[in-house]
Amino acid sequence: QLQVQESGPGLVKPSETLSLTCTVSGGSITSSSYYWAWLRQPPGKGLECIGTIYYNGDTNYNPSLKSRVTISIDASKNQFSLNLGSVTAADTAVYYCARQMGWTLSRPFDYWGQGTLVTVSS
Amino acid sequence: ENVLTQSPGTLSLSPGERVTLSCRASQTISSSYLAWYQQKPGQAPRLLLYGASARPTGIPDRFSGSGSGTDFTLTISRLEPEDFAVYYCQQFGTSQVTFGGGTKVEI
Repeated sequence: QLQVQESGPGLVKPSETLSLTCTVSGGSITSSSYYWAWLRQPPGKGLECIGTIYYNGDTNYNPSLKSRVTISIDASKNQFSLNLGSVTAADTAVYYCARQMGWTLSRPFDYWGQGTLVTVSS
Repeated sequence: ENVLTQSPGTLSLSPGERVTLSCRASQTISSSYLAWYQQKPGQAPRLLLYGASARPTGIPDRFSGSGSGTDFTLTISRLEPEDFAVYYCQQFGTSQVTFGGGTKVEI
């Protein structure tokens, strides 16, 4: 059974960089059938896809966040990571990592981490 | 960007009822590009349907999807107590994923 698990600081200061890591277990991050994604959900609000990465390093970012986001992959550790720079209070959210099905047109997310709350505050 | 609008925001229903949730896209899409999720408080979303009507393993057949063009629906044929949750639609287009704002189904 595949599992994905987020890790990283729960509190980040304004203007600093939010950094999270997702560890994948029970499956290989180098499978050509899947992409790997970061999503977020502000408290009480809806879902937003931050971006995705393929095993070969190809990335796709949400245009509204593109200037501040970097997603990278470490196949040797079966992990992928998120860096979001110049954070403000508006970036406070539950951050999820997830697996995205690459062979279906809707590109849905079939496995999700439990989510980690990141608060931006001084 | 293809904006997805879900309505109503909240539905108050009883177990055993049939419910239809709406997801309207601002631009025409094929139902193959649409997915639906269920989210309960404090939990990650769970994939219910993708490619219009495909259900992942373990999703009951009381959940079904339909629609075309800009109007799509998720139908729950008979509400079970565990179905009270928030439901989101999601689409993939021009290499971007977007979600609707969600519909809460409450008792």
